[in-house]
Amino acid sequence: GQSLEQPSEVTAVEGAIVQINCTYQTSGFYGLSWYQQHDGGAPTFLSYNALDGLEETGRFSSFLSRSDSYGYLLLQELQMKDSASYFCALPRSNYQLIWGAGTKLIIKP
Amino acid sequence: GAGVSQSPSNKVTEKGKDVELRCDPISGHTALYWYRQSLGQGLEFLIYFQGNSAPDKSGLPSDRFSAERTGGSVSTLTIQRTQQEDSAVYLCASSSRDRGGDEQFFGPGTRLTVL
Repeated sequence: GQSLEQPSEVTAVEGAIVQINCTYQTSGFYGLSWYQQHDGGAPTFLSYNALDGLEETGRFSSFLSRSDSYGYLLLQELQMKDSASYFCALPRSNYQLIWGAGTKLIIKP
Repeated sequence: GAGVSQSPSNKVTEKGKDVELRCDPISGHTALYWYRQSLGQGLEFLIYFQGNSAPDKSGLPSDRFSAERTGGSVSTLTIQRTQQEDSAVYLCASSSRDRGGDEQFFGPGTRLTVL
């Protein structure tokens, strides 16, 4: 089967850099997705890595190492509005997404 | 253009009653997903539609749950004889492609409370 592990909570300071890790187990790999969800809001797509390496989109970057079954989301120049839950998710077959339990990011001024 | 919309935004019902949740996907999106999210948890996949057909219903928790999609657009998730454990936020998402890694656009969800 498939499973994902990510820390339940991470705390960081405004303006700093934070890394949210995700390890996974899967029998077939199609990539690793990241979503952001503010309290009471809908998840919004951040990134998708199908190949090893770092993908950068503005202040957010996502990294994947298929050999280590590991990925992370890197947030730079943290802003208070980045306070949210962050989910890694595994596409299973062609369409289904298996979601991690989420990491709550707490940002302190 | 409009995003994914869901109705109602909140639904309180009594145990044993049936409920219908509606999802209007982004126009032109052929893929539609239903998820369930309990407080502080990740999303639980329920069902996937490609057009009007549902090739994967494996996530539906029991036979009390059913879903349909008509005209390749609106979808309805029906829960019969609701139970307290059905209380959760039900999220709908749509995508222009049918690969799980492609961006899924989510609606605001329906918060279901079963008393």
